[in-house]
Amino acid sequence: DVKVTQSSRYLVKRTGEKVFLECVQDMDHENMFWYRQDPGLGLRLIYFSYDVKMKEKGDIPEGYSVSREKKERFSLILESASTNQTSMYLCASGQADYSNQPQHFGDGTRLSIL
Amino acid sequence: AQSVSQHNHHVILSEAASLELGCNYSYGGTVNLFWYVQYPGQHLQLLLKYFSGDPLVKGIKGFEAEFIKSKFSFNLRKPSVQWSDTAEYFCAVGGETDDKIIFGKGTRLHILP
Repeated sequence: DVKVTQSSRYLVKRTGEKVFLECVQDMDHENMFWYRQDPGLGLRLIYFSYDVKMKEKGDIPEGYSVSREKKERFSLILESASTNQTSMYLCASGQADYSNQPQHFGDGTRLSIL
Repeated sequence: AQSVSQHNHHVILSEAASLELGCNYSYGGTVNLFWYVQYPGQHLQLLLKYFSGDPLVKGIKGFEAEFIKSKFSFNLRKPSVQWSDTAEYFCAVGGETDDKIIFGKGTRLHILP
C-alpha cells in the first residue's frame, strides 16, 4: 500500500524554537506538498516541491521554509515558532502528470506552540 | 481571483437520505476538479476527480460529481448515505497545467444512524 509518513502525530514546542516536521513517501513521486489545516479555513498550501532541491512558495509561506535533499523526503521548518503557527500540518505527494494534484496525504502532525 | 466556495459548512442527514454537497469555483481557463474526504482520525483521501470528458464522474464508495461548466459548479452526490460517510469533504480546483490546487473550506457531514 502506498504511504506518506509524517514523523510525529503530535508535537508541542515553545515560542521561538526552531521546529522540523519530516515527511517521507515511498511512491517515488516527484511532487510533494506541505499544507496547514485550520477549522473553517480548509487546507492552505505552504510550500511545494516538484523535484529534489526545487521548491515553490504556496499561499502562506511566511514563517516557514522547506528542504528537499532526497526525492522521498520533504521537510517543513518553522524558523522561529510562534503561537499562530499552532495547527494541523499535512504532507502530501503526487505524480508529476499534467494535473500535479496531491494524491496521497499523510496522517498529519498536530503542532502546538506554547 | 481564484477561489473555491463550498456552500454548506455543516450538514446533518439521516441514513438512506440523498446527499448533495455544493461546490462553486472561480478560475480562469480550463480546470481540473477534485473532491477529497477526511474520515474521523484518518488521512485525507482523493474521492474523485475530473480532468476532461464525461462531466459526470464516478468515484469510490458510490459517490459521483457533475461538472457543470456554465454554472462553474462541481457538486458531489450520493443517492443513499450511510453512517460510515460521516466525514469532512473538501472540494478543490486547479488549472489544467497549474502546479497547485486550491481547496475549499470543507463541509462537515454527520450521518445519524
